[in-house]
Formats: sequence, C-alpha cells, structure tokens
Amino acid sequence: AQKVTQAQTEISVVEKEDVTLDCVYETRDTTYYLFWYKQPPSGELVFLIRRNSFDEQNEISGRYSWNFQKSTSSFNFTITASQVVDSAVYFCALRGDTGFQKLVFGTGTRLLVSP
Amino acid sequence: DAGVIQSPRHEVTEMGQEVTLRCKPISGHNSLFWYRQTMMRGLELLIYFNNNVPIDDSGMPEDRFSAKMPNASFSTLKIQPSEPRDSAVYFCASSLADRGGYTFGSGTRLTVV
Repeated sequence: AQKVTQAQTEISVVEKEDVTLDCVYETRDTTYYLFWYKQPPSGELVFLIRRNSFDEQNEISGRYSWNFQKSTSSFNFTITASQVVDSAVYFCALRGDTGFQKLVFGTGTRLLVSP
Repeated sequence: DAGVIQSPRHEVTEMGQEVTLRCKPISGHNSLFWYRQTMMRGLELLIYFNNNVPIDDSGMPEDRFSAKMPNASFSTLKIQPSEPRDSAVYFCASSLADRGGYTFGSGTRLTVV
C-alpha cells in the first residue's frame, strides 16, 4: 500500500523567508513516482513536479527546489525568498508502478506568506 | 490543449435530487480519475478508468454513486439521490497511464442542501 505523510499542517512565514515543506512516503514498489501539486485559494490543482524513483538528482526551478532522498523516503520542497503569491495548500503525492496505480495524496500543508 | 474540462463549475441542488458531473479529459490521455476533496477527508480517489474501462471503483462511497466513460473523450459521475454529506469539490484528472503525470480539471463544487 502507498502512503504519503505531510506532518506540517500549516506554516506561516514572512515574505522573503525560505520555507521547506516536508513529505515522507511509504511504498513497496521499486519503481514509483513522486509529485508536488499546488492548490491556490482559487481551488485548482496545479502540477509542480514529478520525480521518478530511479532519479535522485535534486531539481531547481526558479525559487523552487526539491530534495529527493530515497534513504529517508523523503521528497521535500523548498521555496526560496517566499512571496505572498506562494500562499496555497501544497500536496505531495505518490504513484506506484505495479499494475494500474492510483495517485495517493498527502493531507497537504497550508502555506501562509504574509507581507 | 484546453486541459481537462469539467462542468459545471458549481452545482447547488436539493437533497434527493440527481446530480451529474461531467469531464472531458485531455486528448490522447488513456487514464481518467475522479477525486473528491473535503475538509475532513482530503483528496480521495473515487474511481479510475484505463482505456475507458473502470479499473478500481473501491473508493466510490456507496451505491448512490456511479461513473461512466462511454468513450475516450467523456466521463460522468452521477449521484442519485444526493445527500448533504456529498457536498465537496469533485475533481477529474487524466494522464497517460505509463507516464505518471496527472492533469486536473478545475473541479466542480457541489453543494447539497
């Protein structure tokens, strides 16, 4: 069974602070995919990144970076120099690779960035 | 590409009425998923289709819920009869099964009064 844990329910920061959102996952599959989605106040789910289990290289995209560590089953997300527009709920998700696999979501972390 | 298109965006209905939610996946995607989001339960998968065939409907809460995918470009989620506890945001998503990337629609906010 797949499981994703986002222990941080809500994080509040002041603009320009760096913030890291934690994600820990459980799976028995040797191949799997990890995702991050952003849900702004408008409600849509916006895809941010997909990472394959066989690619542990960290990724940076502008102010966003992701740290994937198989040894600790973690896929953490860091926003550098946060902005008010980053305020949203962020979901980490996992999809296995055995048969037809569904995307399993964590409970989300609400990020509040104040001016 | 227009992305995953869901309709309606908002639906308010009275308890006992039939509700039909609609989804048009991205052209070429062969997997389609219906999710429900509530404050209490978060994002939960209701059902998913691969090549128009239902693969796993274990998340469908009860017999009042049904989903169909008559062709590759259209799916419906029906609730009959609706109850206040069905109030939630219902998302449709599509993907290429072996690619792993899911694209979500904008969701349908359902309110049953």
